[in-house]
Formats: sequence, C-alpha cells, structure tokens
Amino acid sequence: KAGVTQTPRYLIKTRGQQVTLSCSPISGHRSVSWYQQTPGQGLQFLFEYFSETQRNKGNFPGRFSGRQFSNSRSEMNVSTLELGDSALYLCASSQGLAETQYFGPGTRLLVL
Amino acid sequence: AQKITQTQPGMFVQEKEAVTLDCTYDTSDPSYGLFWYKQPSSGEMIFLIYQGSYDQQNATEGRYSLNFQKARKSANLVISASQLGDSAMYFCAMRVNSGGSNYKLTFGKGTLLTVNP
Repeated sequence: KAGVTQTPRYLIKTRGQQVTLSCSPISGHRSVSWYQQTPGQGLQFLFEYFSETQRNKGNFPGRFSGRQFSNSRSEMNVSTLELGDSALYLCASSQGLAETQYFGPGTRLLVL
Repeated sequence: AQKITQTQPGMFVQEKEAVTLDCTYDTSDPSYGLFWYKQPSSGEMIFLIYQGSYDQQNATEGRYSLNFQKARKSANLVISASQLGDSAMYFCAMRVNSGGSNYKLTFGKGTLLTVNP
C-alpha cells in the first residue's frame, strides 16, 4: 500500500499571501489529522477530519482552515501568512478515529 | 489535560548496544494509548510501537520494545542492538481514548538519538 502523500513538499511564500497544502491518506483510511511542527512549539495539533467532517480543531487562529473530500483526501489552507507560520506541516491518516496514525513526509513552508 | 515529558534532549549510544529513551505521561483518563515515532532528518514521522493502557504485556516490535510502568506513568522505549540508521529524533505521544470526540496525539519534545560507529 502506498503511504500518506503530501504536496507540495516545499513551499516559499511571502507575508500576507495564502497557501493550500494537500494530503492523500493511505487507501482505506477515513481519518486525517494535521499537525504543525516548529522548533519552538514542537508538534501541535491543528485539525482532525473523519468522513468529511471536522471532528476537532486545535488552538490556532481562524486563518487556519481545512476540509476533507469524499475520497478522504484533505486540504488545509492558511490565509494572510505570517512569519511565524513557517513550519513543517504534517498530515497523518488512520483507518478510524481511535486507530494508529501514519504520517506523511510533510510540507515545509517558509514565509518570508 | 494530557502531557508528555521527555527529559533527555539528546542521547548517544554505541552501535550494537541497547539504549533506553525515557517518557513519562500525565492524564486522568483511564483509557489511553501511548506511541513512539521516529523522525529522521528528512522530516517524516515513522510509527514504531504502540501500547494501550489496558494491555497487560509490554509491546514489542522487532528491535523496539516499550517498557510500560502504569503506576509510575512511564512508557520508555528500548532499542536493542542499535544501528547507525537509528540516529534520529524520537517522539513519545499519547492519545486519550475516552470522551469520544478528540483523538489527537499529544507529543513530547523529543529525544535526539545519535548512534556512534
């Protein structure tokens, strides 16, 4: 089975722009979660989706949003980018909500 | 609230030796899962091993074993016969299973393991 894929792998944006990151889960997995990883804050939970519904959201401003499609693929969007949004964004998929999460390679976002 | 503590920012081990990475956790929920992930410099988080709070025996996966001491709230990862490819950041994580609405992983700050030849 193919693993979790994330596109793009690297991204450079400037402050004020918006960005959309994509995640394709392992085939058959219906749950997708997103995490932000920074040197200062470590790994922080962003969102959790299951069957196209956002089940939970972490403590992030409204500039961070996401969605899940009927084929379980997920996207997250960050509007009005700030320098502090520079991070590694990791997507994880699991068969169900209480199952082991398997991570993708991540998208490295640099905001200049 | 859940919390994971990894007190070792960095660890060194000689190739072929065993190493223990420490992890303590804090939760008031009776049902939870504990995970260890490996993150090489490439960035991808690789799942290593899982231990459920009600599991009677310590989990093992190949060269990885989890030393689960529930009363002490510790879930240490033991890597036997270290290999150069084991050099990476290791994260301990917890997921609370009760409540039914939030299955997010809470991560520790990680331990950077360096395996010396």
